[in-house]
Amino acid sequence: SQQGEEDPQALSIQEGENATMNCSYKTSINNLQWYRQNSGRGLVHLILIRSNEREKHSGRLRVTLDTSKKSSSLLITASRAADTASYFCATGSSSNTGKLIFGQGTTLQVKP
Amino acid sequence: GAVVSQHPSRVICKSGTSVKIECRSLDFQATTMFWYRQFPKQSLMLMATSNEGSKATYEQGVEKDKFLINHASLTLSTLTVTSAHPEDSSFYICSASNVRFVTEAFFGQGTRLTVV
Repeated sequence: SQQGEEDPQALSIQEGENATMNCSYKTSINNLQWYRQNSGRGLVHLILIRSNEREKHSGRLRVTLDTSKKSSSLLITASRAADTASYFCATGSSSNTGKLIFGQGTTLQVKP
Repeated sequence: GAVVSQHPSRVICKSGTSVKIECRSLDFQATTMFWYRQFPKQSLMLMATSNEGSKATYEQGVEKDKFLINHASLTLSTLTVTSAHPEDSSFYICSASNVRFVTEAFFGQGTRLTVV
C-alpha cells in the first residue's frame, strides 16, 4: 500500500534553479528517507531523517520533516541537468526494521 | 554502505514459464529482506517481507503461490515468479536489512522482467 502523496507529480525547471518536492504520509513513522531513481534503474539513497529531527542537509540537498503535519520536503539547490530523475520519499516504522513504504514519486526534469 | 546484489538485471521469458530472481547481501548478514515491484511510471509497491528461516509475509493482494519467496540463508533470498504472464512484466527490486542497522535497508539493482 502507498503511504501517501508526493507533490508535485512532475516538475520541470532550468539548470541553476532550486527544486522543491513535498511528501505527505499517513501513519506514525520512525524515519523518512528520500531516494532517487534514474529511468529504468535502481534506487539511490539520498538522505534519511529520523522522526526526532526537523531538518537535515547533505551537499545540495535539504530535507525537512514536520511530524505534526506528517509531511516532509526535499529541496535541491542549484540544480543540474544530472539531477533529472524520479524522486521518492519512503517511510520506515519502528515495528519493521528496514521495511519502507514509498510515496508516489516526483519526476524532476532539469533543462540545461 | 552495505552491498546488495540482485541477479539477473534483465530477463525475458515466455508465458507460462517460471523465473527466479536472486538477492544477495555481499558483506553483511541480512536478517530481513524485502521484495518490491514497480510498474512503469509508478512507485514501488512492497510485495513481501522475508525473514531468514521463516515463511515470508505477503502484502494484501499479492498471491503467495504465484510469487514464491525463499530466504534460506542470511545472505540470499529468492523470488520465483511462477507461471508468468505478460501482466507480471515489471521491475522487481529487493532490499536487505539487519537489526544492527536498525533503520537502514540496502537495495539491489533491480530486475527488469518481460514476459512475452
